[in-house]
Amino acid sequence: DTGVSQDPRHKITKRGQNVTFRCDPISEHNRLYWYRQTLGQGPEFLTYFQNEAQLEKSRLLSDRFSAERPKGSFSTLEIQRTEQGDSAMYLCASSQTGGSGEQYFGPGTRLTVT
Amino acid sequence: DAKTTQPNSMESNEEEPVHLPCNHSTISGTDYIHWYRQLPSQGPEYVIHGLTSNVNNRMASLAIAEDRKSSTLILHRATLRDAAVYYCILRESGTYKYIFGTGTRLKVLA
Repeated sequence: DTGVSQDPRHKITKRGQNVTFRCDPISEHNRLYWYRQTLGQGPEFLTYFQNEAQLEKSRLLSDRFSAERPKGSFSTLEIQRTEQGDSAMYLCASSQTGGSGEQYFGPGTRLTVT
Repeated sequence: DAKTTQPNSMESNEEEPVHLPCNHSTISGTDYIHWYRQLPSQGPEYVIHGLTSNVNNRMASLAIAEDRKSSTLILHRATLRDAAVYYCILRESGTYKYIFGTGTRLKVLA
């Protein structure tokens, strides 16, 4: 399967703990996006990478959130000192430069903070 | 900020056409209109996109108003597998930020 993969698919953590999620984009895609989706809402943009450079970050993203994409391949999203409000589905998407900009989404990581 | 407005839900009978509307009055001249859909327990899936002219692909058609302030996604023959939440999306001008609304939940009746 050459689609976007995310790991883990589910994560349950206690409030105050740190969590890290991984996204493996489609191999030839140089653009990578992270979104957060809560129940009944559409995905909310978090951040964007072009290769290894983080070019866009939502103003809504607190400093407890950090994302990296070393070497322009896989990406990680870390949440420090998790809060119950962080419970959501975290989606990763990738796309190629140019063309339609069609984004291919992964299955998401569902985070539950207890 | 770029913003789209869609009805919360719509229903269609199987094998009939479905017209899903979207208002995007804040769209800028160079922004594409994108449509994605999300099936239960899955990530969103690309459906179609367009700039000014109407567009067709194997999944759907996209009709764009002349003033570009609204568009309509057309599913020519709805099937049960088309039941999903459909999102009309704009990219915020000058950024890489894509804005999803709350989408339209399409229910297809057998």
